[in-house]
Amino acid sequence: EPEVTQTPSHQVTQMGQEVILRCVPISNHLYFYWYRQILGQKVEFLVSFYNNEISEKSEIFDDQFSVERPDGSNFTLKIRSTKLEDSAMYFCASSEWGPEANEKLFFGSGTQLSVL
Amino acid sequence: ELKVEQNPLFLSMQEGKNYTIYCNYSTTSDRLYWYRQDPGKSLESLFVLLSNGAVKQEGRLMASLDTKARLSTLHITAAVHDLSATYFCAVEPVSEKLVFGKGTKLTVNP
Repeated sequence: EPEVTQTPSHQVTQMGQEVILRCVPISNHLYFYWYRQILGQKVEFLVSFYNNEISEKSEIFDDQFSVERPDGSNFTLKIRSTKLEDSAMYFCASSEWGPEANEKLFFGSGTQLSVL
Repeated sequence: ELKVEQNPLFLSMQEGKNYTIYCNYSTTSDRLYWYRQDPGKSLESLFVLLSNGAVKQEGRLMASLDTKARLSTLHITAAVHDLSATYFCAVEPVSEKLVFGKGTKLTVNP
């Protein structure tokens, strides 16, 4: 079965550094998402992306965050200046038709980001 | 703001027993999802419930949705150790984001 792949699986960085988390969504999917899960807490929505632009974002997704689809396959999340509280598991997800089609999301295996 | 409440948050049960996990949500939504997460792993989609009265079953798990009561249940029948995981419900209001509950950590003991 096709799957969403994320790299790296673990990322350790110093506070204030920039990080880029990478995702390769399922190839025929058109809607892309980032979620995060702080250890022991619930999964939280960050941003959704369709047609090369952000379609919705949460209050967590402030000016330090950005997303990009630099080519036909990758979908990236950049954090410009990481803070300790950015430490979390970041999940990328994709779907073929989006929420109006009542589709489930396919999640990647996540990138564990640790900010020291 | 949509709130999604799951209970219990922790559940320890014996193999062979039945139990139900509950998911309440605070505003109208016709879309509810159940996900399973194994430790350190991603979220695996279990069920998508799209209408009032929807019931779906897969193996020992059965999910239902009552949109009037704003309640979904995940029923476990004759639990086995392999079902040990954290189970999340997630609700999708009229937007593109899923709002997750805090999860129910299920441990099935031999």
